[in-house]
Amino acid sequence: DAKTTQPPSMDCAEGRAANLPCNHSTISGNEYVYWYRQIHSQGPQYIIHGLKNNETNEMASLIITEDRKSSTLILPHATLRDTAVYYCIVRGQTGANNLFFGTGTRLTVIP
Amino acid sequence: NAGVTQTPKFQVLKTGQSMTLQCAQDMNHEYMSWYRQDPGMGLRLIHYSVGAGITDQGEVPNGYNVSRSTTEDFPLRLLSAAPSQTSVYFCASRTFRDRKSYEQYFGPGTRLTVT
Repeated sequence: DAKTTQPPSMDCAEGRAANLPCNHSTISGNEYVYWYRQIHSQGPQYIIHGLKNNETNEMASLIITEDRKSSTLILPHATLRDTAVYYCIVRGQTGANNLFFGTGTRLTVIP
Repeated sequence: NAGVTQTPKFQVLKTGQSMTLQCAQDMNHEYMSWYRQDPGMGLRLIHYSVGAGITDQGEVPNGYNVSRSTTEDFPLRLLSAAPSQTSVYFCASRTFRDRKSYEQYFGPGTRLTVT
């Protein structure tokens, strides 16, 4: 499984877009990029996933570079409730079961 | 739907004691798993199951047993608790059946302290 690299922490002003980067330079062709978040010791929450096209849902957008070696999770209008640890995970389709979490990015949304 | 439920929320054990952490889901999900999270770290997979009667080891299985006799329940047993098992334990489930099958649903966690 490809390894991911994320900055340990980021700040974002409330109401602004939060852009969380993730590097996965060893990703292979059949591996997906998943994003989960964990709000203050609660169970992780799925956000979004993608293979090579950009994806958008009601929570966020996922932008994957053309070479697929990096991606960005975008929270378009961050709120205080978005303060959490965000995990970028790369897994193959059959490996969507067993997720390997790193230490993620701690996003703090500032009023 | 209650989603994924875990009991107890908190537990304190003495070294050498055994106990079972309960996990149940009411979404008829085929896949269930257990993770542990140590302070300041990400989650690590302990055991998982892809259906009733089928279990397998994850990344850190030592000291834990699981069984899956029904689709709904996936209990985690600590055989002889050790201080190194002090952690927060999360149960998760997902389905293989539809477009949302990539999404895993996590329970609220059980905070275990072993003294």
